[in-house]
Amino acid sequence: AQSVTQLDSQVPVFEEAPVELRCNYSSSVSVYLFWYVQYPNQGLQLLLKYLSGSTLVESINGFEAEFNKSQTSFHLRKPSVHISDTAEYFCAVSDGQGGSEKLVFGKGTKLTVNP
Amino acid sequence: GAGVSQTPSNKVTEKGKYVELRCDPISGHTALYWYRQSLGQGPEFLIYFQGTGAADDSGLPNDRFFAVRPEGSVSTLKIQRTERGDSAVYLCASSLTFSSNGDTQYFGPGTRLTVL
Repeated sequence: AQSVTQLDSQVPVFEEAPVELRCNYSSSVSVYLFWYVQYPNQGLQLLLKYLSGSTLVESINGFEAEFNKSQTSFHLRKPSVHISDTAEYFCAVSDGQGGSEKLVFGKGTKLTVNP
Repeated sequence: GAGVSQTPSNKVTEKGKYVELRCDPISGHTALYWYRQSLGQGPEFLIYFQGTGAADDSGLPNDRFFAVRPEGSVSTLKIQRTERGDSAVYLCASSLTFSSNGDTQYFGPGTRLTVL
């Protein structure tokens, strides 16, 4: 069965500092990878996803993630964070070739950006 | 356009009671998913519908849980003889076709269920 490990449950950073949220997955088949974000008192929103092609994917608000097949990782990075990036971030994986349609999520990383 | 909606937003019930949670997916989305999120955890898959049929119910924890989608749109998650361990946020998501096509799952705001 697939699993997702988010290595840090909480990440506090100062505004304008860089941040990396780590995600590792276990799978022996082709996968799709996702980062979802949950802002305080809001529902889950897709931040970015990797399906195929370029291993570096970007979001519209400056986040990026790189698919690394050899290390089975999909870490999320941002070079300079804002207060408004404070949220919980979830990494998720799904089968990429007609397998189960479900998403398997990690436990989440709470990012707190301090002034 | 309108996103996924879920009602009620909060539900408090007593142990042993029956509850129904409703999900209204994005119009035109054929796939619908239910997940459960316990405190401090990520969402866990419960069941997936393609149209009216449950294509994968492998995540339902036991036979007290049941879900329907009779007309291929609105879905209801039904929990019988609720237990305190059922307390969680129940999330619904929908996607245009199949996730295995790379379609994004769009999530609703969730229903927070508290069993006293």
